[in-house]
Formats: sequence, C-alpha cells, structure tokens
Amino acid sequence: QVQLVQSGAEVKKPGASVKVSCKASGYTFTSYDINWVRQATGQGLEWMGWMNPNSGNTGYAQKFQGRVTMTRNTSISTAYMELSSLRSEDTAVYYCARVLGYGGNTLDYWGQGTLVTVSS
Amino acid sequence: DIQMTQSPSSVSASVGDRVTITCRASQGISSWLAWYQQKPGKAPKLLIYAASSLQSGVPSRFSGSGSGTDFTLTISSLQPEDFATYYCQQANSFPGTFGQGTKVEIK
Repeated sequence: QVQLVQSGAEVKKPGASVKVSCKASGYTFTSYDINWVRQATGQGLEWMGWMNPNSGNTGYAQKFQGRVTMTRNTSISTAYMELSSLRSEDTAVYYCARVLGYGGNTLDYWGQGTLVTVSS
Repeated sequence: DIQMTQSPSSVSASVGDRVTITCRASQGISSWLAWYQQKPGKAPKLLIYAASSLQSGVPSRFSGSGSGTDFTLTISSLQPEDFATYYCQQANSFPGTFGQGTKVEIK
C-alpha cells in the first residue's frame, strides 16, 4: 500500500535551517509529483511547493521563494524539504503529499506530518 | 494567486443531518477542485477530486458538485465519524491554495 513516512519532530533556533524527509513506498516514486503543505497550530493548510521526483523540477509558493528547497534521492525513494532562515512563524506541522496524477494537483496520500518548532 | 473562500467557517449539526459546505474560487478553475477531511492530530484525507469524483474508499454519503467558481460538498446523513474540519483546494494551478476550513461540530 502507498505510504509516505516523514522524519521526526525538530526543534530549531531562529535563523537555523531544517530539513524534513519523506520516504515513499508502495508505488513508483518517480511517477508522481510530491507537494509540501504546512499547518500552524490551530490554523489552516498552507501550500508550499511541488517537486517532480523524476526530473527534480520544482515550483515554490512566492512566500517561500529563496528560503525553501525541495530535493529528492530516487535511489531511496525519498523527498526532502529544507527551509532556511527559520523564524517563530515557521513553527508548524509540515506534510508531504503525493499528487493523484489525474484531477489536477490533487493530493491523494499524505505523510503523517513533522512538527517543526522554532524557539530560542 | 487564486483565493479560495469557504463558508460557513463552522457548523453545528446532529447525527443524521444533511450538511452543505460551499467553496468559492476568486477566478474560474473549471472542475479542478478537491475536498479534504482532517481530524485533530491527523493528516488531511482526500474525499472528492475533480469537483465531484469520490475518492476510492470514501462513503457515498459524501458528494461534491460545481464548476467554474462555485462548489459544494454535501454530507447527506452526518455520522459520528464525520465530525472534523473540511478544506477545499483548487487543483487548477500553482500555488495550490486551500480554503480556510469548515469545522463540523456536534450540536
């Protein structure tokens, strides 16, 4: 069955960077785009960007341009999202999600989420 | 960017009630709309894609409709496990913006 398993919770200081991993299984990793979405406590969902695991092509929401980098390692079917220059407002649960493949940029499988806490 | 506006922000309902949630896009998105259900502490779950297609395994009491800018999610007979927050997302273009969410609460 399709699974996306993310890395564990992180605590970072302001100004630091964090790298979250998302390991895919149960399907061909390079055949489906991956999106990253975050959610601050008690808030809604915020789309961050996409990556094509086959080509490595990416696209980021303007809000995160210059601070986010999405990469992958196809040999281990793992996607990564790195966010730099962290500030307190970046405290959130970060999700990776697979694009359905039909129905536009619809997300059919999600990781369990990774809590990133930014605190001095 | 396309803005997505959901209403209401919350709704109180009883088991067995029919519940309708609306989502409006700031510009036309054809039928590229998805609905998700999220329970506390859990990742969102896809319910509906392409505005009206039911995702595999999702109960048939969930249905979606609409095209262009106006969309609706309907739960025909609310069940105890349906109390959750529901989000729409436009799947037409990047960024893939979400609505602000609608919390379905027990009356």
